[in-house]
Amino acid sequence: AQKVTQAQTEISVVEKEDVTLDCVYETRDTTYYLFWYKQPPSGELVFLIRRNSFDEQNEISGRYSWNFQKSTSSFNFTITASQVVDSAVYFCALSRPWLTGGGNKLTFGTGTQLKVEL
Amino acid sequence: DGGITQSPKYLFRKEGQNVTLSCEQNLNHDAMYWYRQDPGQGLRLIYYSQIVNDFQKGDIAEGYSVSREKKESFPLTVTSAQKNPTAFYLCASSARGLTVAEQYFGPGTRLTVT
Repeated sequence: AQKVTQAQTEISVVEKEDVTLDCVYETRDTTYYLFWYKQPPSGELVFLIRRNSFDEQNEISGRYSWNFQKSTSSFNFTITASQVVDSAVYFCALSRPWLTGGGNKLTFGTGTQLKVEL
Repeated sequence: DGGITQSPKYLFRKEGQNVTLSCEQNLNHDAMYWYRQDPGQGLRLIYYSQIVNDFQKGDIAEGYSVSREKKESFPLTVTSAQKNPTAFYLCASSARGLTVAEQYFGPGTRLTVT
């Protein structure tokens, strides 16, 4: 069975601080995919990033960066110089490939509520 | 603009009534999904469809039904058998391939049953 744990329920920071959102996953598959989604107050989930299990290279996109460590089964997300517009719920998710019969289904963590204040 | 639409945004029903939530996509995606979100919880998969006229149960299918008669449409019916129907419902779609494809989500429908 697959499982995603986001232990941080809520994080509050002051604008311009850096913040890291933790994600730990469990899977028996050797091939899998990890995702981060952002859910602003409007409710719609916004896709941020996808990583496959064979690519442990860290990725940076503007103020966002992701640290994938297979050895610790973690896929952490860092926002540098946070802004008020970053306030949202962030979800980490895990998926199996189509070919394994996974059907592209996502297993979500419970999410981390990030509040960025002035 | 390509995207996923869900209507209505808010829906109110009396207990014992069936209600159908709409989901339409114009992304030409083969696969579509329905998730339920409860406060403080992640999203849980209700049903998914990889192709027209085919669908499978997700983790919490009891009390729900779906149909997939057209590629662009995947309506969800919340039946009176669903014991706790009040929740936020999200529809998603994705391309279909050999590995994996990110899912794109609609704006959601907030259902309240009293």
